[in-house]
Amino acid sequence: KQEVTQIPAALSVPEGENLVLNCSFTDSAIYNLQWFRQDPGKGLTSLLLIQSSQREQTSGRLNASLDKSSGRSTLYIAASQPGDSATYLCAVLTLEQAGTALIFGKGTTLSVSS
Amino acid sequence: EAGVAQSPRYKIIEKRQSVAFWCNPISGHATLYWYQQILGQGPKLLIQFQNNGVVDDSQLPKDRFSAERLKGVDSTLKIQPAKLEDSAVYLCASSPPGELSYNEQFFGPGTRLTVL
Repeated sequence: KQEVTQIPAALSVPEGENLVLNCSFTDSAIYNLQWFRQDPGKGLTSLLLIQSSQREQTSGRLNASLDKSSGRSTLYIAASQPGDSATYLCAVLTLEQAGTALIFGKGTTLSVSS
Repeated sequence: EAGVAQSPRYKIIEKRQSVAFWCNPISGHATLYWYQQILGQGPKLLIQFQNNGVVDDSQLPKDRFSAERLKGVDSTLKIQPAKLEDSAVYLCASSPPGELSYNEQFFGPGTRLTVL
Protein backbone atom coordinates (compact mmCIF):
# COMPACT_ATOMS: atom_id res chain seq x y z
CA LYS A 1 0.00 0.00 0.00
CA GLN A 2 1.36 3.39 -1.04
CA GLU A 3 2.49 5.70 1.74
CA VAL A 4 3.72 9.27 1.38
CA THR A 5 5.93 10.99 3.95
CA GLN A 6 6.88 14.66 4.09
CA ILE A 7 9.79 16.07 6.03
CA PRO A 8 9.99 18.39 7.84
CA ALA A 9 6.49 18.77 9.30
CA ALA A 10 7.11 22.48 9.88
CA LEU A 11 9.71 24.98 8.76
CA SER A 12 10.39 28.61 9.66
CA VAL A 13 12.73 30.74 7.57
CA PRO A 14 13.53 34.44 7.14
CA GLU A 15 12.47 36.17 3.96
CA GLY A 16 14.83 35.72 1.03
CA GLU A 17 16.08 32.29 1.95
CA ASN A 18 16.08 29.39 -0.51
CA LEU A 19 14.50 26.25 0.89
CA VAL A 20 13.77 22.61 0.08
CA LEU A 21 10.77 20.54 1.06
CA ASN A 22 11.06 16.77 0.91
CA CYS A 23 8.58 14.07 -0.06
CA SER A 24 9.10 10.31 -0.16
CA PHE A 25 6.81 7.50 -1.30
CA THR A 26 7.02 3.75 -0.82
CA ASP A 27 5.80 2.39 -4.18
CA SER A 28 7.49 3.65 -7.35
CA ALA A 29 4.53 2.56 -9.54
CA ILE A 30 3.04 6.03 -9.86
CA TYR A 31 1.47 7.90 -12.75
CA ASN A 32 2.53 11.34 -11.57
CA LEU A 33 3.34 13.44 -8.54
CA GLN A 34 1.70 16.74 -7.65
CA TRP A 35 2.69 19.47 -5.24
CA PHE A 36 -0.15 21.51 -3.74
CA ARG A 37 -0.37 24.59 -1.58
CA GLN A 38 -3.05 24.93 1.09
CA ASP A 39 -3.75 28.20 2.88
CA PRO A 40 -5.57 28.09 6.25
CA GLY A 41 -9.26 27.39 5.77
CA LYS A 42 -8.88 27.06 2.01
CA GLY A 43 -8.82 24.31 -0.56
CA LEU A 44 -5.80 22.97 -2.41
CA THR A 45 -4.05 24.89 -5.18
CA SER A 46 -2.01 22.82 -7.61
CA LEU A 47 1.55 24.12 -7.94
CA LEU A 48 3.36 21.60 -10.10
CA LEU A 49 2.65 18.23 -11.70
CA ILE A 50 5.51 15.91 -12.67
CA GLN A 51 4.69 13.00 -14.93
CA SER A 52 6.29 9.66 -14.03
CA SER A 53 8.59 9.92 -17.06
CA GLN A 54 9.83 13.41 -16.13
CA ARG A 55 12.62 14.45 -13.79
CA GLU A 56 11.58 17.99 -12.92
CA GLN A 57 9.15 20.83 -13.49
CA THR A 58 9.56 24.54 -12.95
CA SER A 59 7.13 27.38 -12.39
CA GLY A 60 8.46 30.78 -11.45
CA ARG A 61 10.40 30.49 -8.20
CA LEU A 62 9.35 26.86 -7.74
CA ASN A 63 11.21 23.81 -8.97
CA ALA A 64 10.11 20.25 -8.28
CA SER A 65 12.20 17.17 -8.96
CA LEU A 66 11.24 13.52 -9.11
CA ASP A 67 13.41 10.44 -8.62
CA LYS A 68 10.90 7.66 -9.11
CA SER A 69 13.34 4.80 -8.57
CA SER A 70 14.31 6.04 -5.11
CA GLY A 71 10.78 7.20 -4.28
CA ARG A 72 11.69 10.82 -3.66
CA SER A 73 10.64 14.29 -4.71
CA THR A 74 11.79 17.73 -3.63
CA LEU A 75 10.17 21.13 -3.94
CA TYR A 76 12.68 23.96 -4.13
CA ILE A 77 11.45 27.49 -3.37
CA ALA A 78 13.85 30.26 -4.33
CA ALA A 79 14.01 33.62 -2.58
CA SER A 80 11.16 32.90 -0.18
CA GLN A 81 8.57 35.60 0.59
CA PRO A 82 6.06 36.02 3.45
CA GLY A 83 3.32 35.25 0.92
CA ASP A 84 4.78 31.76 0.54
CA SER A 85 3.63 30.93 4.07
CA ALA A 86 1.22 28.00 3.76
CA THR A 87 1.08 24.22 4.04
CA TYR A 88 2.63 22.36 1.13
CA LEU A 89 1.27 18.93 0.30
CA CYS A 90 2.85 16.27 -1.88
CA ALA A 91 0.62 13.65 -3.53
CA VAL A 92 1.21 10.72 -5.87
CA LEU A 93 -1.33 9.42 -8.37
CA THR A 94 -1.39 5.69 -8.07
CA LEU A 95 -3.68 2.80 -8.95
CA GLU A 96 -5.57 1.95 -5.76
CA GLN A 97 -8.32 -0.64 -5.80
CA ALA A 98 -10.31 0.08 -8.95
CA GLY A 99 -9.66 3.79 -9.18
CA THR A 100 -6.86 6.29 -9.43
CA ALA A 101 -6.45 7.99 -6.11
CA LEU A 102 -4.12 10.76 -5.05
CA ILE A 103 -2.24 9.58 -1.98
CA PHE A 104 -1.19 12.55 0.13
CA GLY A 105 1.49 13.21 2.69
CA LYS A 106 0.63 15.13 5.85
CA GLY A 107 2.23 18.28 4.54
CA THR A 108 4.96 20.72 5.51
CA THR A 109 3.80 23.96 7.13
CA LEU A 110 6.05 26.80 6.01
CA SER A 111 6.35 30.14 7.76
CA VAL A 112 8.38 32.91 6.12
CA SER A 113 9.08 35.92 8.31
CA SER A 114 9.76 39.43 7.02
CA GLU B 1 -12.56 29.02 -16.51
CA ALA B 2 -14.68 28.57 -13.40
CA GLY B 3 -13.22 26.34 -10.72
CA VAL B 4 -14.77 23.58 -8.65
CA ALA B 5 -17.65 24.93 -6.60
CA GLN B 6 -18.70 23.57 -3.21
CA SER B 7 -21.39 24.48 -0.73
CA PRO B 8 -21.87 25.10 2.07
CA ARG B 9 -18.45 26.35 3.13
CA TYR B 10 -19.08 25.67 6.80
CA LYS B 11 -21.51 23.45 8.70
CA ILE B 12 -21.98 22.76 12.40
CA ILE B 13 -24.27 19.93 13.49
CA GLU B 14 -24.98 17.79 16.51
CA LYS B 15 -23.92 14.14 16.49
CA ARG B 16 -26.52 11.79 15.02
CA GLN B 17 -27.85 14.53 12.75
CA SER B 18 -27.59 14.33 8.99
CA VAL B 19 -25.77 16.66 6.60
CA ALA B 20 -25.29 16.99 2.85
CA PHE B 21 -22.57 18.64 0.79
CA TRP B 22 -22.79 19.72 -2.82
CA CYS B 23 -20.12 19.92 -5.52
CA ASN B 24 -20.13 21.28 -9.05
CA PRO B 25 -17.00 20.26 -10.97
CA ILE B 26 -15.22 22.11 -13.74
CA SER B 27 -17.18 21.89 -16.98
CA GLY B 28 -16.14 18.92 -19.09
CA HIS B 29 -14.37 17.08 -16.27
CA ALA B 30 -15.54 13.49 -16.36
CA THR B 31 -13.97 12.37 -13.11
CA LEU B 32 -15.08 13.64 -9.71
CA TYR B 33 -13.57 12.85 -6.33
CA TRP B 34 -14.60 13.40 -2.72
CA TYR B 35 -11.79 13.56 -0.16
CA GLN B 36 -11.91 13.85 3.62
CA GLN B 37 -9.19 15.91 5.33
CA ILE B 38 -8.93 15.57 9.10
CA LEU B 39 -7.03 18.34 10.88
CA GLY B 40 -3.28 17.83 10.57
CA GLN B 41 -3.60 15.11 7.94
CA GLY B 42 -3.47 14.96 4.17
CA PRO B 43 -6.73 14.42 2.27
CA LYS B 44 -7.97 10.84 1.97
CA LEU B 45 -10.12 9.63 -0.91
CA LEU B 46 -13.70 8.68 -0.04
CA ILE B 47 -15.19 8.05 -3.47
CA GLN B 48 -14.35 8.47 -7.15
CA PHE B 49 -16.91 8.87 -9.96
CA GLN B 50 -16.36 8.50 -13.68
CA ASN B 51 -19.26 10.36 -15.29
CA ASN B 52 -22.23 9.11 -13.20
CA GLY B 53 -20.72 5.75 -12.27
CA VAL B 54 -18.78 4.85 -9.13
CA VAL B 55 -15.18 3.79 -9.84
CA ASP B 56 -13.93 3.37 -6.29
CA ASP B 57 -15.80 3.66 -3.00
CA SER B 58 -13.68 1.23 -1.02
CA GLN B 59 -12.86 3.81 1.67
CA LEU B 60 -16.37 5.21 2.03
CA PRO B 61 -18.01 4.24 5.36
CA LYS B 62 -21.13 2.99 3.68
CA ASP B 63 -23.09 2.52 6.89
CA ARG B 64 -23.32 6.30 7.23
CA PHE B 65 -21.93 7.94 4.11
CA SER B 66 -23.55 8.00 0.68
CA ALA B 67 -22.78 9.88 -2.50
CA GLU B 68 -24.32 10.29 -5.89
CA ARG B 69 -23.55 12.07 -9.13
CA LEU B 70 -26.73 12.50 -11.07
CA LYS B 71 -26.41 13.12 -14.82
CA GLY B 72 -22.64 12.95 -14.53
CA VAL B 73 -22.22 16.57 -13.42
CA ASP B 74 -23.05 17.76 -9.87
CA SER B 75 -22.49 15.50 -6.91
CA THR B 76 -23.77 15.32 -3.34
CA LEU B 77 -22.16 13.63 -0.35
CA LYS B 78 -24.38 12.80 2.62
CA ILE B 79 -23.61 11.71 6.16
CA GLN B 80 -26.39 10.13 8.22
CA PRO B 81 -26.03 9.88 11.17
CA ALA B 82 -22.93 11.98 11.85
CA LYS B 83 -20.35 11.03 14.45
CA LEU B 84 -17.83 13.22 16.27
CA GLU B 85 -14.99 11.70 14.21
CA ASP B 86 -16.61 12.98 11.01
CA SER B 87 -15.42 16.50 11.86
CA ALA B 88 -13.17 17.35 8.94
CA VAL B 89 -12.91 19.32 5.72
CA TYR B 90 -14.64 17.63 2.80
CA LEU B 91 -12.94 18.43 -0.48
CA CYS B 92 -14.31 17.88 -3.94
CA ALA B 93 -11.97 17.60 -6.90
CA SER B 94 -12.37 16.99 -10.61
CA SER B 95 -10.09 16.03 -13.46
CA PRO B 96 -10.44 16.08 -17.23
CA PRO B 97 -10.43 12.94 -19.38
CA GLY B 98 -7.10 11.83 -20.79
CA GLU B 99 -3.93 9.89 -20.13
CA LEU B 100 -3.33 9.19 -16.46
CA SER B 101 0.20 10.57 -16.39
CA TYR B 102 -1.26 13.95 -17.31
CA ASN B 103 -4.13 13.60 -14.83
CA GLU B 104 -4.29 16.78 -12.78
CA GLN B 105 -6.89 17.14 -10.10
CA PHE B 106 -8.42 20.53 -9.37
CA PHE B 107 -9.84 21.10 -5.92
CA GLY B 108 -12.73 23.15 -4.62
CA PRO B 109 -12.54 25.32 -1.46
CA GLY B 110 -13.95 22.54 0.72
CA THR B 111 -16.70 22.29 3.33
CA ARG B 112 -15.58 22.43 6.94
CA LEU B 113 -17.83 20.19 9.06
CA THR B 114 -17.90 20.38 12.84
CA VAL B 115 -19.85 17.69 14.69
CA LEU B 116 -20.65 18.56 18.33
